[in-house]
Amino acid sequence: NAGVMQNPRHLVRRRGQEARLRCSPMKGHSHVYWYRQLPEEGLKFMVYLQKENIIDESGMPKERFSAEFPKEGPSILRIQQVVRGDSAAYFCASSLTTGTLGNTIYFGEGSWLTVV
Amino acid sequence: DQQVKQNSPSLSVQEGRISILNCDYTNSMFDYFLWYKKYPAEGPTFLISISSIKDKNEDGRFTVFLNKSAKHLSLHIVPSQPGDSAVYFCAASGNTPLVFGKGTRLSVIA
Repeated sequence: NAGVMQNPRHLVRRRGQEARLRCSPMKGHSHVYWYRQLPEEGLKFMVYLQKENIIDESGMPKERFSAEFPKEGPSILRIQQVVRGDSAAYFCASSLTTGTLGNTIYFGEGSWLTVV
Repeated sequence: DQQVKQNSPSLSVQEGRISILNCDYTNSMFDYFLWYKKYPAEGPTFLISISSIKDKNEDGRFTVFLNKSAKHLSLHIVPSQPGDSAVYFCAASGNTPLVFGKGTRLSVIA
């Protein structure tokens, strides 16, 4: 499967725990994006990364959320001290070149986080 | 401030008829527009796109129209099929990552 791979697909965390979501981009893609979809809402941009660099994190909450895309391995979205409001579907996407200049981004299947 | 708006949360169409999904945007810097289709519990799937230098792009049953002066685009599906029932997201980009609308849920009734 050469598509964008996300894991876990479903994650349940208690309030105060940490959630780690992983994303492997499509083969050959070096640009990764994270989006969040709250219930009954559209997709909200969170962060745009290239290998070892955060390009745009304007959509990331200022606290508790962080993202990385190391030289080796998947991109990781980390949420510390989760709260109920973090319950959402988190989608990762990737593109061959920058996704801001007329290039299509391709999404993974999503990771559904439930905070109890 | 919603830069991409899909004002119809839902749409029902009979099988075989045309489905028209609409999208408005406010940012004049947007120059590339896309439509994604999403089934429950799955990721969005790219459907069709259009550059701002064009006013129409067609791919099989799907056609996207762009009216730059009105900052409006639409997706036409003809003929509509039951398998087209999904949520459709309009998205736009310029010098920013893709900005999405809230989606329109299309139901195609057999």
